[in-house]
Amino acid sequence: DQQVKQNSPSLSVQEGRISILNCDYTNSMFDYFLWYKKYPAEGPTFLISISSIKDKNEDGRFTVFLNKSAKHLSLHIVPSQPGDSAVYFCAASAIYSGGGADGLTFGKGTHLIIQP
Amino acid sequence: NAGVTQTPKFRVLKTGQSMTLLCAQDMNHEYMYWYRQDPGMGLRLIHYSVGEGTTAKGEVPDGYNVSRLKKQNFLLGLESAAPSQTSVYFCASSKTYGYTFGSGTRLTVV
Repeated sequence: DQQVKQNSPSLSVQEGRISILNCDYTNSMFDYFLWYKKYPAEGPTFLISISSIKDKNEDGRFTVFLNKSAKHLSLHIVPSQPGDSAVYFCAASAIYSGGGADGLTFGKGTHLIIQP
Repeated sequence: NAGVTQTPKFRVLKTGQSMTLLCAQDMNHEYMYWYRQDPGMGLRLIHYSVGEGTTAKGEVPDGYNVSRLKKQNFLLGLESAAPSQTSVYFCASSKTYGYTFGSGTRLTVV
């Protein structure tokens, strides 16, 4: 039973355009959401996060949107750059977990490919 | 500024052999985790620790044991390796939600 779903295994976007990565969740107890970026042969690195009390969080070229009623979040990258080519993981944590102490639940990831 | 260090980076085991993966962090984080990543499966939590001397099971704990004798170290043990344990293993540590991951250990069980 997958609680965090990333239904697009891969996404190809032209350089300079907007990349939109989607994530759906089923557990209504999730209250904190994060995006991690992973390059081959490296560990994931934290990118951006959002609390359930917000519907948008922005950091430079990266914006995360949260729609609680639809249990859906998305990551927008504008403009997309070649260095953005990586696997992006959506992750979530539940209210009772005390700041993520008992582990994040990850989606399967979306491989973003930025084409020149 | 090492962050999270995993050793070894690569290992090939024969079925039935045992080994220990070491994770060390120098950020004084309370929480530490072991995840495995398999193709098409994302990251799945094996075991975690919320402090020195404590451990707990995650989503896929079977076949693994862990120990956290020192705050900075989190060990993952495989007592009798199986081909199903072929995977990339990631250790992470955190204070809260923002996890810092190591670069991974690629384990192959033949």
